[in-house]
Amino acid sequence: GDSVTQMEGPVTLSEEAFLTINCTYTATGYPSLFWYVQYPGEGLQLLLKATKADDKGSNKGFEATYRKETTSFHLEKGSVQVSDSAVYFCALASGGSYIPTFGRGTSLIVHP
Amino acid sequence: DAGVIQSPRHEVTEMGQEVTLRCKPISGHDYLFWYRQTMMRGLELLIYFNNNVPIDDSGMPEDRFSAKMPNASFSTLKIQPSEPRDSAVYFCASSLQQTEAFFGQGTRLTVV
Repeated sequence: GDSVTQMEGPVTLSEEAFLTINCTYTATGYPSLFWYVQYPGEGLQLLLKATKADDKGSNKGFEATYRKETTSFHLEKGSVQVSDSAVYFCALASGGSYIPTFGRGTSLIVHP
Repeated sequence: DAGVIQSPRHEVTEMGQEVTLRCKPISGHDYLFWYRQTMMRGLELLIYFNNNVPIDDSGMPEDRFSAKMPNASFSTLKIQPSEPRDSAVYFCASSLQQTEAFFGQGTRLTVV
């Protein structure tokens, strides 16, 4: 079945550092891929998405590129801020099933 | 649209009591999902509906849990009787086919 694997957290960075959170997936067909963010005490919010190979999703300085050859969708940001501290979830939705499948989440802590 | 609306935001109940969580999906969405989030297990899909019909409830932990969707604008998740291990944050989400899932702010359930 479909699955998403994310790097274990927490990831701890200083402000303005470069961020990468790895995500790989297993799916039938050609899924849509998503990154969600969950701020403390809140629900998940869509951060960015990509619907086909080589697409790049971007939002709020975050980017991720749909890599079909490596089945990956790594999240990157060039310069993190304290306000980016949150839990980040990689997810997919494949054509055979519209159920979103989520990774375990990666906690990001950014220090001033 | 106001987004996915869940109520209550917080619920504290005694072991053995019945608990009902409520969800109003985004108008026009045809999928509705109930998730449970805990530190130990992360985000677990409990059940999902398509056009108000339950499709897969294999994630429901046991018979104490039940979910209904009597119409396109309302769903409930009921736990009877509740137990301390049911303490978690319960999220409702809705989506339109393979587009992204939109989440409510969650209900934090504490069973004492």
